[in-house]
Amino acid sequence: AQKITQTQPGMFVQEKEAVTLDCTYDTSDQSYGLFWYKQPSSGEMIFLIYQGSYDEQNATEGRYSLNFQKARKSANLVISASQLGDSAMYFCAMRERGSQGNLIFGKGTKLSVKP
Amino acid sequence: NAGVTQTPKFRVLKTGQSMTLLCAQDMNHEYMYWYRQDPGMGLRLIHYSVGEGTTAKGEVPDGYNVSRLKKQNFLLGLESAAPSQTSVYFCATYGGGTVQPQHFGDGTRLSIL
Repeated sequence: AQKITQTQPGMFVQEKEAVTLDCTYDTSDQSYGLFWYKQPSSGEMIFLIYQGSYDEQNATEGRYSLNFQKARKSANLVISASQLGDSAMYFCAMRERGSQGNLIFGKGTKLSVKP
Repeated sequence: NAGVTQTPKFRVLKTGQSMTLLCAQDMNHEYMYWYRQDPGMGLRLIHYSVGEGTTAKGEVPDGYNVSRLKKQNFLLGLESAAPSQTSVYFCATYGGGTVQPQHFGDGTRLSIL
């Protein structure tokens, strides 16, 4: 079974609108971390935001926020006020305790922002 | 401050040829990783290292070897390249700690003909 599931292969959003990218995960650990990365067409992997399993508040970084629902095992990325430069692949990843730092990645969601 | 540097950025090989991809970091991180990225598959871990002189297998290690002789360098080798190894390869580093992300190089695009 997949440990990280991103069910939206591709999404479109109108510029200046908000968009939610879905991520569900599967783990039996109580201690884990969730990460989102952005990969623009130039190819580099850019870290966006982190959420720890024990964090009581949803993580926020500028226009990025994480809608963390622990009981549902979901960690959806919310991008507010979309910009053309947000067009990219977005990957959700999980690190479990004792994993020696290893990240398990989802297959990604391609976001296209329309002007 | 270069961070994580991968060499080369592009390479075309013929089936059966060998080559080594170099990852160099100036972040003084203990952990280093090699991933491959294929369309629709996300990133999959090939091998990783938790410190100088150590290596371990990841999810898709077959056909690859690695070495970590120096803390700052992590080498990925293909002894006999196969078309199935056509991919984009990423190196990443991690310094430890709960909230720290992995830091990625810019990738190497490798084509095996």
